[in-house]
Amino acid sequence: GDSVTQMEGPVTLSEEAFLTINCTYTATGYPSLFWYVQYPGEGLQLLLKATKADDKGSNKGFEATYRKETTSFHLEKGSVQVSDSAVYFCALHLQGGSEKLVFGKGTKLTVNP
Amino acid sequence: GAGVSQSPSNKVTEKGKDVELRCDPISGHTALYWYRQSLGQGLEFLIYFQGNSAPDKSGLPSDRFSAERTGGSVSTLTIQRTQQEDSAVYLCASSQTSGYEQFFGPGTRLTVL
Repeated sequence: GDSVTQMEGPVTLSEEAFLTINCTYTATGYPSLFWYVQYPGEGLQLLLKATKADDKGSNKGFEATYRKETTSFHLEKGSVQVSDSAVYFCALHLQGGSEKLVFGKGTKLTVNP
Repeated sequence: GAGVSQSPSNKVTEKGKDVELRCDPISGHTALYWYRQSLGQGLEFLIYFQGNSAPDKSGLPSDRFSAERTGGSVSTLTIQRTQQEDSAVYLCASSQTSGYEQFFGPGTRLTVL
């Protein structure tokens, strides 16, 4: 079945460090891909998305590129801030199939000053 | 405008009791989703509504779980004869229609003693 695998962490970085959170997927069709973020005490928020191969999603300095050849959607940020501390979830939505989102297990990021 | 709201925010119950969790989607959103977030399993899809119909119930873990949606708006997730393994955060999301971005509520934290 469809699935998402992401590095589970936790990840601890110093402010201004470079961030990569790996995400790979398995899908029978052509999914849309998402990164959601959950800040402490808050609900899930959409961070960025890409709907087809080679699309790049970006928001708040975060980027991820839909790589069909490697079935990946890695999240990157060039310089993290303390305020980026959160749990990040990679997810897929299979177009034309079930309307559910399939999530990875989440990666907890802590950024220290 | 108002986002997705859920009630109660916290629910503590005894094993064997029934519980009802409520979700108020964003006004005008025709699609509604229930997910469960637990430590061991991550984020799992439970059920999807389009209007008042549930085309995909594949994620409901047992026949103790049921959900309904009335008037194309409010949804209730009912868990009968709760078990300790039902302890989790239950998340509701809505979208303008199926295939569009899902907006998540803050969740209901259920603890079964």
